Amino acid sequence: QVQVVESGGGVVQPGRSLRLSCAASGFTLSRHGMHWVRQAPGKGLEWVAVMWYDGSKKKYVESVKGRFTISRDNSKSTLFLQMNSLRAEDTAVYYCARDVGLTSNGMDVWGQGTTVTVSS
Amino acid sequence: QSVLTQPPSASGTPGQRVTISCSGSSSNIGSNTVNWYQQLPGTAPKLLIHSNNQRPSGVPDRFFGSRSGTSASLAISGLQSEDEADYYCAAWDDSLDGHVFGGGTKLTVL
Repeated sequence: QVQVVESGGGVVQPGRSLRLSCAASGFTLSRHGMHWVRQAPGKGLEWVAVMWYDGSKKKYVESVKGRFTISRDNSKSTLFLQMNSLRAEDTAVYYCARDVGLTSNGMDVWGQGTTVTVSS
Repeated sequence: QSVLTQPPSASGTPGQRVTISCSGSSSNIGSNTVNWYQQLPGTAPKLLIHSNNQRPSGVPDRFFGSRSGTSASLAISGLQSEDEADYYCAAWDDSLDGHVFGGGTKLTVL
């Protein structure tokens, strides 16, 4: 069964760090682009980052550039999102999603999400 | 303010046809393919349409996507109560060098 499962969310103070994980199963991670998308409470979807299938490119939404890093461990079929210098506005449900293709063409497999709350 | 503009709400009665619009620009819809997502209350988004008009396996043919110039539309025919959800359009934006979502449209089945 093709699926992705996120973990690593929690409550963290402003300025601290958190690393999210996304375990993929039923498909080969290195054959798809992979995304992180977030949704703040009561708000719409916001794309956060993408990694090309071969890891050659990583793209980020402007608001997280320099603070967040997307990475992947193919041997463990796991995608990561390292989040540093967290801010209150980063509070959201974070979804991991598989791209239908190699780069960024649409997200066809979504996880259930993991909640990140940034608060003092 | 979202880069892609959608109406905040839409409604229809069972059996009706409803259309949701998505307006963008030359840097996103005008030069890249459009995707549509459905998000039922309390659940993760689901891909409805990719590459402007392609339905993934399992998506009913009641859902139809189209693109013209810098705008796109999602049409839902034979509206059903289970279609009540939030719908989002999305596309790659060459200027922002990233993916962008519309603000979402809340569809109510009356």
